[in-house]
Amino acid sequence: GAVVSQHPSWVICKSGTSVKIECRSLDFQATTMFWYRQFPKQSLMLMATSNEGSKATYEQGVEKDKFLINHASLTLSTLTVTSAHPEDSSFYICSASTPSDRGWETQYFGPGTRLLVL
Amino acid sequence: RKEVEQDPGPFNVPEGATVAFNCTYSNSASQSFFWYRQDCRKEPKLLMSVYSSGNEDGRFTAQLNRASQYISLLIRDSKLSDSATYLCAVNMGSWGKLQFGAGTQVVVTP
Repeated sequence: GAVVSQHPSWVICKSGTSVKIECRSLDFQATTMFWYRQFPKQSLMLMATSNEGSKATYEQGVEKDKFLINHASLTLSTLTVTSAHPEDSSFYICSASTPSDRGWETQYFGPGTRLLVL
Repeated sequence: RKEVEQDPGPFNVPEGATVAFNCTYSNSASQSFFWYRQDCRKEPKLLMSVYSSGNEDGRFTAQLNRASQYISLLIRDSKLSDSATYLCAVNMGSWGKLQFGAGTQVVVTP
């Protein structure tokens, strides 16, 4: 249980294009999904918290107009990197939370998307 | 001070040995705690939740010390496949939001 998929797994694009990443919870409904970014040899950095049917909450320093998040259903959230530039190249990982058997919200991660902007 | 801190390591561990490491957190109101394992170039995978009474899952034991505000992970009888980066995560309150540590690298050697 608690499987999260992410698509695509790899993206190579030209500078200035937009890239859309999908995150799906496959066997559970996730009220909340999270988007992270991780640069090589660095820790996970939370970008935004996404709740179904409402606007995402962005972390300080994350441009909401550059990283568009849509959470249209309880099983799908999308992240669109608009007008991507080489400095946006990174490993983008989503997670979806669901209550554990002890009632705590527990996050399960998708396999991540590697974005390379040329 | 960072909200969640870990010794980055690496901890070089002979196969079969025991290794333990801690993670300190600053928010005394945190209610839930987790250990994740991340392999190189992969996503984090939930290893175990950390319960206030401590809990064990096979060769892995997690402990919580609220008074000193740290959690620990102990790995017994280390296997080569235990080589990974171990991330601790602390609940930040709303919506299951977590604050992650930077990770502790463990390298198990033959």
